[in-house]
Amino acid sequence: QKEVEQNSGPLSVPEGAIASLNCTYSDRGSQSFFWYRQYSGKSPELIMSIYSNGDKEDGRFTAQLNKASQYVSLLIRDSQPSDSATYLCALYTGGFKTIFGAGTRLFVKA
Amino acid sequence: DVKVTQSSRYLVKRTGEKVFLECVQDMDHENMFWYRQDPGLGLRLIYFSYDVKMKEKGDIPEGYSVSREKKERFSLILESASTNQTSMYLCASTGSSSSYNEQFFGPGTRLTVL
Repeated sequence: QKEVEQNSGPLSVPEGAIASLNCTYSDRGSQSFFWYRQYSGKSPELIMSIYSNGDKEDGRFTAQLNKASQYVSLLIRDSQPSDSATYLCALYTGGFKTIFGAGTRLFVKA
Repeated sequence: DVKVTQSSRYLVKRTGEKVFLECVQDMDHENMFWYRQDPGLGLRLIYFSYDVKMKEKGDIPEGYSVSREKKERFSLILESASTNQTSMYLCASTGSSSSYNEQFFGPGTRLTVL
């Protein structure tokens, strides 16, 4: 089992819809959780960080963490074509180590 | 804002050449990382450094070395470039005082070895 699992997609949603991206992980000792957005040919950009169970909202983005079920999700409300990118789930496990998922490709149709 | 810069966006080298990739951060971060990213394989950690002159191997250190002579600068060295080292190379940094230990990435260097 991979340490961080994401559906590779592509996930296709119409403009204005809610995009839901999911991630499961295996290390129960994971301390912090991140979502990065990566446009084609560019580097990952941090968009959300969360370390407590529950929801964290920032603009159109909401990160949800459930440590008991070992999943973290990202909701993007009012999706825009500019949100089309690959979204990487990542988690900090301690000892300087951050584990990255392979990413989910999101396509928002205008 | 954290700023991480990398010396080149695109680089083309020949097999056997020695290659230097340089990364500089301006946020006084203690920890710096080098990754490579390949389609289908995701991000893989090559080396990291938690202090000046300190370095630790990541998951795929073979064929690479690193240097950290100053806090803000972390260099990746390919001693003798090979075609299987063609990849996107990403540098990242994080501060020890960070609550989350989130990493911030540079723009990346796309290296092609012919």
